[in-house]
Amino acid sequence: NAGVMQNPRHLVRRRGQEARLRCSPMKGHSHVYWYRQLPEEGLKFMVYLQKENIIDESGMPKERFSAEFPKEGPSILRIQQVVRGDSAAYFCASSPFLGEAFFGQGTRLTVV
Amino acid sequence: GENVEQHPSTLSVQEGDSAVIKCTYSDSASNYFPWYKQELGKGPQLIIDIRSNVGEKKDQRIAVTLNKTAKHFSLHITETQPEDSAVYFCAAFRTTSGTYKYIFGTGTRLKVLA
Repeated sequence: NAGVMQNPRHLVRRRGQEARLRCSPMKGHSHVYWYRQLPEEGLKFMVYLQKENIIDESGMPKERFSAEFPKEGPSILRIQQVVRGDSAAYFCASSPFLGEAFFGQGTRLTVV
Repeated sequence: GENVEQHPSTLSVQEGDSAVIKCTYSDSASNYFPWYKQELGKGPQLIIDIRSNVGEKKDQRIAVTLNKTAKHFSLHITETQPEDSAVYFCAAFRTTSGTYKYIFGTGTRLKVLA
């Protein structure tokens, strides 16, 4: 039973480029959460999605950031026109509805 | 608002001693409390959890206790080993209508000294 798969593990982008982070949930899980973690800090909630629906995006900046979880394929967190302050580790977690959440290994984004 | 406080931020113990990490939550509707262990460069790993209808849960060397009245929950690790060294996060989650998200504590860096 494969765990939550995130790719890429490391991503380097120049300022102004787009970053696209992918998350494939565990088999049978229809809910995905995205969190952001700065070095030596905690996990900050960004967005909670169900297949084809955004349930709660209260933690996601209104500009430049978007997320989707299509009927088929992985969940995508997209950051447009990246800035240095976007450099962080981005983690996704998946769960069945209202069940335990399991995290992926994260994508470490570096903006240069 | 929703908030989870976690203490201490760092904890050093001698190998074989016990470690206790405490969390306090603000949302009285929270009813599920997982604990995650995060090793360097890795994602958080679920190690134990407790639901609000239970006061204590144990799994080998780790246990979690919950005091709903005081809105406190704690992680207890006994007979600590060097491989227990990591950052530990508590979280609170509500499964009733409204917000469906895990609110995390700020983490505790545990160092087990050999």
